[in-house]
Amino acid sequence: NAGVTQTPKFQVLKTGQSMTLQCAQDMNHEYMSWYRQDPGMGLRLIHYSVGAGITDQGEVPNGYNVSRSTTEDFPLRLLLAAPSQTSVYFCASSYSITGITGELFFGEGSRLTVL
Amino acid sequence: EDQVTQSPEALRLQEGESSSLNCSYTVSGLRGLFWYRQDPGKGPEFLFTLYSAGEEKEKERLKATLTKKESFLHITAPKPEDSATYLCAVSDRGSTLGRLYFGRGTQLTVWP
Repeated sequence: NAGVTQTPKFQVLKTGQSMTLQCAQDMNHEYMSWYRQDPGMGLRLIHYSVGAGITDQGEVPNGYNVSRSTTEDFPLRLLLAAPSQTSVYFCASSYSITGITGELFFGEGSRLTVL
Repeated sequence: EDQVTQSPEALRLQEGESSSLNCSYTVSGLRGLFWYRQDPGKGPEFLFTLYSAGEEKEKERLKATLTKKESFLHITAPKPEDSATYLCAVSDRGSTLGRLYFGRGTQLTVWP
């Protein structure tokens, strides 16, 4: 099993550009989420989904859009990139839609720099 | 205000020198507390889930314990391969299902 796959691993954008971070999982997990990780801060939830067609906002959703058309894929779109969005982005999935187990499977991260 | 506070921020141990990492939390109702390990350039890897005070979980040289306000990750006779950042996260009964609050982590270095 590949687990959670994120692409691209590295990306440099200019302010105002848009792009999509891809996330795919092959574990048939209903729950998927996006976090960002910044130096000196804990992982912060951006958006999450408990199943195809269902998405909701997390702690820091501004500037990001998501959609969930299939169980496997959960892309994260940056609409107008800003330097404040320079970060490492992690996609994570779980077999528990209630999140009670807390066992998230993370991808290896996408490192984004906005100039 | 952080819901999850980890200490120390960094810890250097000699191989074989046992120690503990602390995770304190302030959520109103704990649904679960989780420990993850993160290696440089990688995503976090799940270690343990603890649900109630008094609960303990073990895996190799790691043992996690939980009280009403904090959790400890005890590392017994650590080896250099235990070097990583250890993250603590909690799920709050008052928050959206599936949402975890992460601490900033403890960076552990074990030298030979």
